[in-house]
Amino acid sequence: EDKVVQSPLSLVVHEGDTVTLNCSYEVTNFRSLLWYKQEKKAPTFLFMLTSSGIEKKSGRLSSILDKKELFSILNITATQTGDSAVYLCAAIRGTYKYIFGTGTRLKVLA
Amino acid sequence: EAGVAQSPRYKIIEKRQSVAFWCNPISGHATLYWYQQILGQGPKLLIQFQNNGVVDDSQLPKDRFSAERLKGVDSTLKIQPAKLEDSAVYLCASSSFILAAKNIQYFGAGTRLSVL
Repeated sequence: EDKVVQSPLSLVVHEGDTVTLNCSYEVTNFRSLLWYKQEKKAPTFLFMLTSSGIEKKSGRLSSILDKKELFSILNITATQTGDSAVYLCAAIRGTYKYIFGTGTRLKVLA
Repeated sequence: EAGVAQSPRYKIIEKRQSVAFWCNPISGHATLYWYQQILGQGPKLLIQFQNNGVVDDSQLPKDRFSAERLKGVDSTLKIQPAKLEDSAVYLCASSSFILAAKNIQYFGAGTRLSVL
């Protein structure tokens, strides 16, 4: 059975800290992995990773995929209170199907 | 560009009642998805439409859930009758392409359903 596991389940840090969120997957016919940020509104797209070892960056966020070890990490440097959210990863199986993890709840304290 | 619109934002009903949710995808997006997200879990796909045809409804509880996308744009998801375990956030998403390489799904804000 396909599964996507995220760790930790929750995390509390102080502003300015750096955090690393983990996502491991076992998905048949794996194509890509995506990260989303979910606040009390629509999940917003962060990254899509298809190739192994190529880091994607957007401001203080970066992510990388390891297709040999079947995991991805999302790094957030110099965290801010606005980074508080649930971070979801999703693995694409086949042509279209998203398999989501349970998410990591991040809380950044001022 | 307008995002995915969903309504209502919140709904409280009693068990055995019926409820309907509405979704308007991003203009031009042919593919539309409905997800169920139970508290503490990731979203689970209920049904996927390509234009007005169903691509995948394998996880839709068809005895009580139904969905339609008659004109290939807006979609409605209905639950009849609702059970306590249907309490969840129902997310709608849309994407331009069905192929994985370009398949970034964009989500609406969701409808939070509480069944009492």
